Amino acid sequence: GEDVEQSLFLSVREGDSSVINCTYTDSSSTYLYWYKQEPGAGLQLLTYIFSNMDMKQDQRLTVLLNKKDKHLSLRIADTQTGDSAIYFCAEGPGGYNKLIFGAGTRLAVHP
Amino acid sequence: NAGVTQTPKFQVLKTGQSMTLQCAQDMNHNSMYWYRQDPGMGLRLIYYSASEGTTDKGEVPNGYNVSRLNKREFSLRLESAAPSQTSVYFCASSERGDNSPLHFGNGTRLTVT
Repeated sequence: GEDVEQSLFLSVREGDSSVINCTYTDSSSTYLYWYKQEPGAGLQLLTYIFSNMDMKQDQRLTVLLNKKDKHLSLRIADTQTGDSAIYFCAEGPGGYNKLIFGAGTRLAVHP
Repeated sequence: NAGVTQTPKFQVLKTGQSMTLQCAQDMNHNSMYWYRQDPGMGLRLIYYSASEGTTDKGEVPNGYNVSRLNKREFSLRLESAAPSQTSVYFCASSERGDNSPLHFGNGTRLTVT
């Protein structure tokens, strides 16, 4: 079945770039998403990319998609303490939004 | 604009007790979902409702029932709670079911002892 894998933890220094990686298995996915979860809150959609794109940039966020390797990454430039959160990768195989979520990467930003 | 509202925020149940988790959205979305979040496992879909009047099973439906009361409200019922149902439950909605973005509530933390 479909699967999405992420590393569980990433620690970066404030001001550095963070890169969160994700691999997925379903090559028929139409959309790939990044969600952010802050403590005690639900998930917020950060950005998404269509499967026919290689890259998408949105202010400090850059999403890279390598379809051949089924690899998705989220780069956060100039990481701030407010970026500390859990980041979830999700793929959309289609059909009533049956997203498959990864386990989440906890990003810790330290001074 | 409240978005997706879930009640209660926290709940402790004894094994065998029943309860209903409530969810309401004010965005006029057609589709609504219930997920559970467990450590190290990401989110798993319990049930979803593609539109008012329809409900379907997701990945982990056993032990749960749902009701799409109207377009705004989608409730999740545990008839006989078990410790394996200890989890954080999230309700979400989307404008349509075709990969339109999900909007999540803040979750209900449920502990079953």
